[in-house]
Amino acid sequence: DGGITQSPKYLFRKEGQNVTLSCEQNLNHDAMYWYRQDPGQGLRLIYYSQIVNDFQKGDIAEGYSVSREKKESFPLTVTSAQKNPTAFYLCASSIFGRSSGTRQETQYFGPGTRLLVL
Amino acid sequence: GENVEQHPSTLSVQEGDSAVIKCTYSDSASNYFPWYKQELGKGPQLIIDIRSNVGEKKDQRIAVTLNKTAKHFSLHITETQPEDSAVYFCADPGATGGFKTIFGAGTRLFVKA
Repeated sequence: DGGITQSPKYLFRKEGQNVTLSCEQNLNHDAMYWYRQDPGQGLRLIYYSQIVNDFQKGDIAEGYSVSREKKESFPLTVTSAQKNPTAFYLCASSIFGRSSGTRQETQYFGPGTRLLVL
Repeated sequence: GENVEQHPSTLSVQEGDSAVIKCTYSDSASNYFPWYKQELGKGPQLIIDIRSNVGEKKDQRIAVTLNKTAKHFSLHITETQPEDSAVYFCADPGATGGFKTIFGAGTRLFVKA
């Protein structure tokens, strides 16, 4: 059963705390992405990775960090520097990445993690 | 830079009526256009897509049309049902050299029973 999973479904962060959101895919996709979605808003790109051990900043990377040590995993850390972290976080993957040299196609999204600040 | 404009931002229709959402893109090299549906509290899911070698594609009650000259593509939903109520996003995966997807701002569709 292939797909993309995110955990936890809900996450609570205290002031000054770093929290890490998990994203795993077993679709054998090269590219992975993190988006932030605020209520009633669209998708804003935080970070993306085209290949293992490489990633690029998106449009709103400040206060976030990522790693891509394995093809299947792309965790996102929300650091204490992110002053307004309350949002719905979506991870996605896509079959094409830099290794194939082709343009992007369909993105497959996980179910999302809702982050709330205590 | 490249962008995708999506209209309307909100659309309310009566059950059984049709709904049309339109997107305009800027990158003339783009050649693939997906539409995603996001239900409340869930991640977006692909519902239909179109490539630039065709002008229209249909899948049961949903269809997508593409006008490459005018650089716009539209989602058409016929015989709308309450379960069609969701947020719909268009996208241009070919923008910015092809390594990240540009999404439209989204259209919130309400289907009134």
